[in-house]
Amino acid sequence: EDQVTQSPEALRLQEGESSSLNCSYTVSGLRGLFWYRQDPGKGPEFLFTLYSAGEEKEKERLKATLTKKESFLHITAPKPEDSATYLCAVQPESNYQLIWGAGTKLIIKP
Amino acid sequence: EAGVAQSPRYKIIEKRQSVAFWCNPISGHATLYWYQQILGQGPKLLIQFQNNGVVDDSQLPKDRFSAERLKGVDSTLKIQPAKLEDSAVYLCASSPGLAGNEQFFGPGTRLTVL
Repeated sequence: EDQVTQSPEALRLQEGESSSLNCSYTVSGLRGLFWYRQDPGKGPEFLFTLYSAGEEKEKERLKATLTKKESFLHITAPKPEDSATYLCAVQPESNYQLIWGAGTKLIIKP
Repeated sequence: EAGVAQSPRYKIIEKRQSVAFWCNPISGHATLYWYQQILGQGPKLLIQFQNNGVVDDSQLPKDRFSAERLKGVDSTLKIQPAKLEDSAVYLCASSPGLAGNEQFFGPGTRLTVL
């Protein structure tokens, strides 16, 4: 069964304290892995798509990496405005449906 | 570029009542999705349209939920009758195509069933 597990469920960091969020997945053939950010009361906002193991993408203080079993979202020197829930989703080769993790709630304290 | 529009933003109903949600996707986007997001969980796909045809509705509770996308543009999702467990945020998203494309989400409709 295709599934996505994100850890930790919640993460509290001080401003400037770098860390990583984990997304572990099992899927029979990966079409793509997606990272989204969701602020309270809003819909998810797209961050990255990764397609193959070894691929990396960066955007400001965020960097996403992909292996055959997991993806990491690295946050370097975070600011309070990076506080949000970060969602990971995979799209299997067998269909076009996204399978979502439950998310990691990130809180950055000033 | 205008984003995905949804209405209403909030809805409170009694169980066994009916409710409908409306979504207008980004202009030109062929694919439209309806998701259910329960508090503390990731979105769960209910139905996916490509133009005005259904691509995937395997997780749609068809005994009470229905959706349509007439003319391949805007869409409505209906629940009839509602149950307590339907309390959730209903998200609409659109994308240019099916495979590997980022999805653009609307703000969602928060439904409370009492």
